[in-house]
Amino acid sequence: DIQMTQSPSSLSASVGDRVTITCRASQTISNYLNWYQQKPGKAPKLLIYATSTLQTGVPSRFSGSGSRTDFTLTISSLQPEDFATYYCQQSFSTPFTFGPGTKVDIK
Amino acid sequence: QIALKESGPTLVKPTQTLTLTCTFSGFSVTTYGAGVDWIRQPPGKALEWLALIYWDDDKRYSPSLNNRLTITKDASKNQVVLTMTNMDPVDTATYYCARRGPGLGLDYWGPGTLVTVSS
Repeated sequence: DIQMTQSPSSLSASVGDRVTITCRASQTISNYLNWYQQKPGKAPKLLIYATSTLQTGVPSRFSGSGSRTDFTLTISSLQPEDFATYYCQQSFSTPFTFGPGTKVDIK
Repeated sequence: QIALKESGPTLVKPTQTLTLTCTFSGFSVTTYGAGVDWIRQPPGKALEWLALIYWDDDKRYSPSLNNRLTITKDASKNQVVLTMTNMDPVDTATYYCARRGPGLGLDYWGPGTLVTVSS
């Protein structure tokens, strides 16, 4: 199985801050990396697929980058509705493993 | 529009078999490239990928669940069914089904259903 790790596990930030979350795969996954946002009691929401393609309707303040084993999700200017937990997921090979999540809360 | 919804028991006893149904609308699971995944999330924990069925009936499972899972589809009913045998309290979780989008991300999710395993 491909193991996914994320850092940090949590962070505190203020509205307007630039936030960066890192995801690392235990082996190369090319660009088969997705990012999800999850709010308490809700299903995850797809933000970015194939490393850097924004899902329809997702604000442009979200961006993704990376390749092979190292990936990044960036929120350019954090908004109040962005406080949530973020998960990466590889879709290179089954099982399509998720990272452990990064919780973004209010400083 | 596309929608998915999970249904099944909210409480099962240890050793029992869980059967969950994902009923969806707005897409066909027989369209080339289509797929439906199951994912679960124990309370307060991370997401765990469980299984996937493709349009051509190819099926993939999480090896960590030791052959406890079976996934099937009924295209005429727009349903995908997941069964999990030998349920244990550690299987207590919210279970989600989701559509595999063209970009291979899970682009539409059901609201999830909480399954508690307890005697």
